[in-house]
Amino acid sequence: AQKVTQAQTEISVVEKEDVTLDCVYETRDTTYYLFWYKQPPSGELVFLIRRNSFDEQNEISGRYSWNFQKSTSSFNFTITASQVVDSAVYFCALSEAGSGNTGKLIFGQGTTLQVKP
Amino acid sequence: DGGITQSPKYLFRKEGQNVTLSCEQNLNHDAMYWYRQDPGQGLRLIYYSQIVNDFQKGDIAEGYSVSREKKESFPLTVTSAQKNPTAFYLCASSIDRAQPEHFGDGTRLSIL
Repeated sequence: AQKVTQAQTEISVVEKEDVTLDCVYETRDTTYYLFWYKQPPSGELVFLIRRNSFDEQNEISGRYSWNFQKSTSSFNFTITASQVVDSAVYFCALSEAGSGNTGKLIFGQGTTLQVKP
Repeated sequence: DGGITQSPKYLFRKEGQNVTLSCEQNLNHDAMYWYRQDPGQGLRLIYYSQIVNDFQKGDIAEGYSVSREKKESFPLTVTSAQKNPTAFYLCASSIDRAQPEHFGDGTRLSIL
């Protein structure tokens, strides 16, 4: 069965600190996608990144970076020099990518990040 | 600008009443999805539709119904059979089956 675990329920940091959000996943599929979404207090989900299972290269986008390690089934997300506007709930998600793919996402429970000024 | 519009933003249901949540998209996406979010939890899939006039149950479809008569519209009805409907409902769409990239702003449903 597919499962996504975000063990950190809440994280609180002071502005300009770096913070890493952990994500561990389980799947029997060899082909799959991993995602991160941001949910600000307004409620909408904002897509941040998609990574397929064959691409283990780390990615950096501005202050955001992602570390994908198949050996440990982890897809961690780091925010460098955090800002108050980064305060949100962050979700890691997993979906199948095979012929039976439905676009269905399996979400983790989310990590609430609070960045204090 | 293209996007997904959900309405209403807040909705209240009386006991035994059916209510319908609207989801409209002008992105020309084939696939649309409904997710439910409970406090402190991730999203769970209720129903999804990959093409007009076709839809499938997700993980928690009991007590819900949908229709997909038009490409741009995917309304969700919360029926009286859904005993615990209080939640935040998010609609999403995607251009293909890869994943839902676009989400609406959500509808918060409460019981009166």
